[in-house]
Amino acid sequence: GAGVSQSPSNKVTEKGKDVELRCDPISGHTALYWYRQSLGQGLEFLIYFQGNSAPDKSGLPSDRFSAERTGGSVSTLTIQRTQQEDSAVYLCASSFNSGLEGYTFGSGTRLTVV
Amino acid sequence: AQSVTQPDIHITVSEGASLELRCNYSYGATPYLFWYVQSPGQGLQLLLKYFSGDTLVQGIKGFEAEFKRSQSSFNLRKPSVHWSDAAEYFCAVGPLTGGGNKLTFGTGTQLKVEL
Repeated sequence: GAGVSQSPSNKVTEKGKDVELRCDPISGHTALYWYRQSLGQGLEFLIYFQGNSAPDKSGLPSDRFSAERTGGSVSTLTIQRTQQEDSAVYLCASSFNSGLEGYTFGSGTRLTVV
Repeated sequence: AQSVTQPDIHITVSEGASLELRCNYSYGATPYLFWYVQSPGQGLQLLLKYFSGDTLVQGIKGFEAEFKRSQSSFNLRKPSVHWSDAAEYFCAVGPLTGGGNKLTFGTGTQLKVEL
């Protein structure tokens, strides 16, 4: 596609429920990144996929968080048993191989846990 | 560990005035440095980047930034601010040593433009 597409744009969920956030990167981009943006904080790295390599999961805050990337394209970030502190904007970005030419970000999913 | 500091959380300038947003980094090698802008409800858009060479880099929307190794800084500047520049600005550094091509972002500076 022309840009990075994220869905849903907004999600309100009850505490304890599971949520899935979707990211559709730019076609041909081999790298895909998930970041979390909380109010007053910068972007917190969550997970990074590069081609067929094992993902870098070093930023996932707990085992309730997981992500997969199917066929080297679409990625899903799953949060199980959501907590109020999970409320944030979840941003996805993609890039060509190096990533150091700059990322292209999606508009994000605003997650609110009530 | 590498880090990025944006000392100013909020900045207010008058339209037409000059702008400088500060960014300081901590990094053990030659850094790759970036500035991104985020408008409300939007993702981040790349303004400019520095890898090597000329320490003054030009970006989109009339922005420029200067890399100063001696000060570990990469400040963003614009000679004359427009009302449409009101947004949040993020400085970023990469890559993480041994950590792939992930970027580390600062906490952002919220720019308000007074008409």
